[in-house]
Amino acid sequence: GAVVSQHPSRVICKSGTSVKIECRSLDFQATTMFWYRQFPKQSLMLMATSNEGSKATYEQGVEKDKFLINHASLTLSTLTVTSAHPEDSSFYICSATGTTFTDTQYFGPGTRLTVL
Amino acid sequence: DAKTTQPPSMDCAEGRAANLPCNHSTISGNEYVYWYRQIHSQGPQYIIHGLKNNETNEMASLIITEDRKSSTLILPHATLRDTAVYYCIVRGAQKLVFGQGTRLTINP
Repeated sequence: GAVVSQHPSRVICKSGTSVKIECRSLDFQATTMFWYRQFPKQSLMLMATSNEGSKATYEQGVEKDKFLINHASLTLSTLTVTSAHPEDSSFYICSATGTTFTDTQYFGPGTRLTVL
Repeated sequence: DAKTTQPPSMDCAEGRAANLPCNHSTISGNEYVYWYRQIHSQGPQYIIHGLKNNETNEMASLIITEDRKSSTLILPHATLRDTAVYYCIVRGAQKLVFGQGTRLTINP
């Protein structure tokens, strides 16, 4: 199956700093990438959808100025958590898919963010 | 997208077939049924998907009822590594909406 990577796998930062998470599709071109957040013992919650070269579409309740998403190429999307606070500590997971809506979404391994 | 209902947890003995049910009574004609699983602290792993025909791949089989209102994921010979949360998702648009899934525990 297709491979999606994320970097870093774990990050610890101080409150008030910004953190960037990268999501890469390694062996296919991802026209659409998705960002999810998962709190302990909960299911995945979709944060935003990004299409290559376009602005991201955020789900209701997700602050677009706090979670900056860039999808500048067909293999790379980045999520920047700006001015992170302890409540932003979570497991962030990206997924990538191809050109049609029936294309399977493949997920990255996730990034564990801890804000002190 | 149509809502799905899954049992919160299930147990299965190692080596036996694990049958995970999913109800999706409001599914529309153009919506697919997708199955993913998530092993602790990892990203979800794609298992299988189908529209109306039964499907089989190297990981599992997917049985969809004729009225498409329910489906069953079958892991033919469960191993300890199959312990995970299994998500049944009905997909009509590009995005996937995850429910609570079924926590499957494979016992030795």
